[in-house]
Amino acid sequence: AAGVIQSPRHLIKEKRETATLKCYPIPRHDTVYWYQQGPGQDPQFLISFYEKMQSDKGSIPDRFSAQQFSDYHSELNMSSLELGDSALYFCASSESSGPSTDTQYFGPGTRLTVL
Amino acid sequence: LAKTTQPISMDSYEGQEVNITCSHNNIATNDYITWYQQFPSQGPRFIIQGYKTKVTNEVASLFIPADRKSSTLSLPRVSLSDTAVYYCLVGDVRGNAGNMLTFGGGTRLMVKP
Repeated sequence: AAGVIQSPRHLIKEKRETATLKCYPIPRHDTVYWYQQGPGQDPQFLISFYEKMQSDKGSIPDRFSAQQFSDYHSELNMSSLELGDSALYFCASSESSGPSTDTQYFGPGTRLTVL
Repeated sequence: LAKTTQPISMDSYEGQEVNITCSHNNIATNDYITWYQQFPSQGPRFIIQGYKTKVTNEVASLFIPADRKSSTLSLPRVSLSDTAVYYCLVGDVRGNAGNMLTFGGGTRLMVKP
């Protein structure tokens, strides 16, 4: 079965640079979520989108922004990167109707390293 | 969101049944209980979800008592590959597209040969 696709899988940036992470949800899923997981920590919710509109907002820094496009894929834009932004970034998707309503399915993650 | 409490870690041996209990004393009427599994450097993987009584799928069973203040994830005959962190999450996830999941202090299960 198709899963959530994230790109790139690994990314190395320097401080103060920008980064863009992409997420392609499971086909027919209309909701996308972004999570950040630091080393040895639990996943922390950043932001979510339903039908291209922001749905819920968590601990996302002002330096980060995200959007969901008409094909339902999403991008997380990160600017002025800091060392503390080094983490695994997961995207998850869900469908708002159907047998598995709102169950979130996670992608493999993007490992961001800020030097 | 309802706060959950689960053991920090558990050890087991191959072939044994493992039961991980999660406490959620202030669970709300509309809340569902969902369990995720996470391997190192991988995204959390949905295991099972329930509202009350017992739910079973091909991977696990979920037992929820009548008061719903706790739940138990049961993994039958674990193998080494079941070594992972298991998260219990409680929230009103149905009919609320985009609602975040709050991960907190999962249980690190170590399966030994």
